[in-house]
Amino acid sequence: GEDVEQSLFLSVREGDSSVINCTYTDSSSTYLYWYKQEPGAGLQLLTYIFSNMDMKQDQRLTVLLNKKDKHLSLRIADTQTGDSAIYFCAETLFSGGYNKLIFGAGTRLAVHP
Amino acid sequence: SAVISQKPSRDICQRGTSLTIQCQVDSQVTMMFWYRQQPGQSLTLIATANQGSEATYESGFVIDKFPISRPNLTFSTLTVSNMSPEDSSIYLCSVEGDWAPGGKNIQYFGAGTRLSVL
Repeated sequence: GEDVEQSLFLSVREGDSSVINCTYTDSSSTYLYWYKQEPGAGLQLLTYIFSNMDMKQDQRLTVLLNKKDKHLSLRIADTQTGDSAIYFCAETLFSGGYNKLIFGAGTRLAVHP
Repeated sequence: SAVISQKPSRDICQRGTSLTIQCQVDSQVTMMFWYRQQPGQSLTLIATANQGSEATYESGFVIDKFPISRPNLTFSTLTVSNMSPEDSSIYLCSVEGDWAPGGKNIQYFGAGTRLSVL
């Protein structure tokens, strides 16, 4: 079945880079996503990557996709305290005529001075 | 992007009662989704609500417990029926981004409804 796995916790120093990793199982996923959830808030779409791409950069965010290994990573450059949140990786499963998102458990990023 | 509003933002309810959660979008969208996020957990899809047809429920979720309405292209409701403490969760609606090029592959989320059942 579909499964998305992430490490649960990451702690970094302010100003350093953060790398959050994710593995997924469905090789037919057309899009892969990163969402951010701040305390008490909903999910904010951070970025996404189409499955035929290896890399996508958007300001401080870099997404790398290794389709062979079904590995996705999110790099946040110059991490700030405002980046402290839970980051969810999600893959797409097309089923029953619609795109269903399968989420990982989320990685809690803690940024310390 | 569109604005997705959920009401209520939070509620505390007694067991055995029901709560209806509303999701309003300021653009017409084809697909709306309802997710549950149990405490400390990830998101699980409850059902998909397509305007003009019955909602499609995922395994483990049934219409009697989570009835859904989708009366038009900008609005949906999810009811959590006969609640128990195990229903304490965040309930989130999402929509496909019909308004953006390629947006039908992207889901955008509301802020969620935080439900506590005593």
